[in-house]
Amino acid sequence: TQLLEQSPQFLSIQEGENLTVYCNSSSVFSSLQWYRQEPGEGPVLLVTVVTGGEVKKLKRLTFQFGDARKDSSLHITAAQPGDTGLYLCAGPRGKTSYDKVIFGPGTSLSVIP
Amino acid sequence: DAGITQSPRHKVTETGTPVTLRCHQTENHRYMYWYRQDPGHGLRLIHYSYGVKDTDKGEVSDGYSVSRSKTEDFLLTLESATSSQTSVYFCAISELGAKDNEQFFGPGTRLTVL
Repeated sequence: TQLLEQSPQFLSIQEGENLTVYCNSSSVFSSLQWYRQEPGEGPVLLVTVVTGGEVKKLKRLTFQFGDARKDSSLHITAAQPGDTGLYLCAGPRGKTSYDKVIFGPGTSLSVIP
Repeated sequence: DAGITQSPRHKVTETGTPVTLRCHQTENHRYMYWYRQDPGHGLRLIHYSYGVKDTDKGEVSDGYSVSRSKTEDFLLTLESATSSQTSVYFCAISELGAKDNEQFFGPGTRLTVL
């Protein structure tokens, strides 16, 4: 059974600090996605990584896909209160699945002004 | 923003009653999904649809049924609600399937079963 684990579960930091959150699995994924969910809303896609070792940047957010395609990280530089939310990773369900994904449990980030 | 709405947004019901949640899209996307979100579990797929009248089970489908008679509407029914089905329910749509493509999520329905 494919599972995605995320760490830490909760993170509370001061504005301006840097942080990294992780998404791990014992299974190989052909791709991974990161979503952010703000309180009271649905998740919104941030990025999709598809190549082992790939690094993608989205302003102050840096996403990396592990070389073995079993893990991914999200690094935020100089966190701002607007970064507060639940960060979810997601990957294809099954080797041939093209139509559905599984989600990790998420990392809840709180950035204190 | 993708045109996706859910109704109702909040509902309180009693154990044993049937409940139907509605997801409506204006994007003409082929794929529609129902998830539930509970603390510590992230999003778990209940059922999904890959076309009109074409549906399949997700990982937590017991106690739920779905129907899709039109491209724009995807209904989730709890046949006989139980307290374990208290959750926040999200509908999502995708044009090409969830893998490597964006899913657009609705605002969610908070369901409480007493």
